[in-house]
Amino acid sequence: AQSVTQPDIHITVSEGASLELRCNYSYGATPYLFWYVQSPGQGLQLLLKYFSGDTLVQGIKGFEAEFKRSQSSFNLRKPSVHWSDAAEYFCAVGARGFQKLVFGTGTRLLVSP
Amino acid sequence: DTEVTQTPKHLVMGMTNKKSLKCEQHMGHRAMYWYKQKAKKPPELMFVYSYEKLSINESVPSRFSPECPNSSLLNLHLHALQPEDSALYLCASSQDGISGYEQYFGPGTRLTVT
Repeated sequence: AQSVTQPDIHITVSEGASLELRCNYSYGATPYLFWYVQSPGQGLQLLLKYFSGDTLVQGIKGFEAEFKRSQSSFNLRKPSVHWSDAAEYFCAVGARGFQKLVFGTGTRLLVSP
Repeated sequence: DTEVTQTPKHLVMGMTNKKSLKCEQHMGHRAMYWYKQKAKKPPELMFVYSYEKLSINESVPSRFSPECPNSSLLNLHLHALQPEDSALYLCASSQDGISGYEQYFGPGTRLTVT
């Protein structure tokens, strides 16, 4: 069965500093991987996705993520965090032929001045 | 346009009421989803419609009844809910529910059951 682990419940980053949010997945075949962001009381917004090809994917709002098959990881990065990036971030995995997304437990990003 | 709309934004209902949540997308997507999200938790899948047919029911209690009148609309009918059903209900859609395309989410309906 698919599973996703986001080991960090909370992360605090200073504005302007770099960010890396960790995501590890468990799935036997090549997964479909996603990062979503959710502001309080809002829906989820898709930041980026990985299906195949180049393992470094670019997303919206200056985010990128790198798929590392050997480490079963799909970490999200941003070189310089803005106060508006404070939100909950969810990593999710899907599988070809399946309609279900499996979400990680989320990482709450706090941005300090 | 990658917009999924949901109405109402907020809903308060008693345990004996009947209400409905509505979701709409105009992206030509053929798969639509209902999720339930409790505070500080990830979304939990409830139902999936693919090509207007119910394809996944994640053992959801019968007090929740989904309906897909056409490929653009998805409803969730609520009846005799419990206080523990209070949550954010999210609708999503994707191009094709079989091939693993990305899902686009609506803003959600905040439901409070009193």
